[in-house]
Amino acid sequence: GAGVSQSPRYKVAKRGQDVALRCDPISGHVSLFWYQQALGQGPEFLTYFQNEAQLDKSGLPSDRFFAERPEGSVSTLKIQRTQQEDSAVYLCASVRLAGGAGELFFGEGSRLTVL
Amino acid sequence: TQLLEQSPQFLSIQEGENLTVYCNSSSVFSSLQWYRQEPGEGPVLLVTVVTGGEVKKLKRLTFQFGDARKDSSLHITAAQTGDTGLYLCAGGYNKLIFGAGTRLAVHP
Repeated sequence: GAGVSQSPRYKVAKRGQDVALRCDPISGHVSLFWYQQALGQGPEFLTYFQNEAQLDKSGLPSDRFFAERPEGSVSTLKIQRTQQEDSAVYLCASVRLAGGAGELFFGEGSRLTVL
Repeated sequence: TQLLEQSPQFLSIQEGENLTVYCNSSSVFSSLQWYRQEPGEGPVLLVTVVTGGEVKKLKRLTFQFGDARKDSSLHITAAQTGDTGLYLCAGGYNKLIFGAGTRLAVHP
């Protein structure tokens, strides 16, 4: 498709389980961002890739969160030993050029519920 | 740390009314973006404002960037039910920081 694709759309995990969320950006887009959006809040920055390089991971809340984009295209956000406070919508966005100054194209998000 | 504060947090109005929502910061931004998000969807870009004092119009939506490039406003004229959604402002240099948003509900 032409847009950003995220999977799964919905994920229910038991506390302590590991989860992996996938993002397929728009083909050719250089930059990729992950955001976490809690209910009723704006998106909170997690991490940023330029091609395969992770240039900023300052927003990752703990060392349980890990993101990769090994070939500069598809990205995976992994959360280990999930906790209830990890419940949120995880949004992925891609940008045509380097940096975040251009238009962000968002996917529909992956809604994670940790029981 | 750059922060963006949006107000009001919630707004519930009748169709046909006018409204203004605000985005404020103590930091200077090279540009600010406005996004609209509907339930179950990702945010979609409405406009980018770049120049201090700039005014941009998108049909019934008017966006203004403050002279000092620290604040912005969005004015909607004659709101319609289709305007319902979460309005987010965002700014930053290498990564976009979002405000908490204004949740707008327009009732028929």
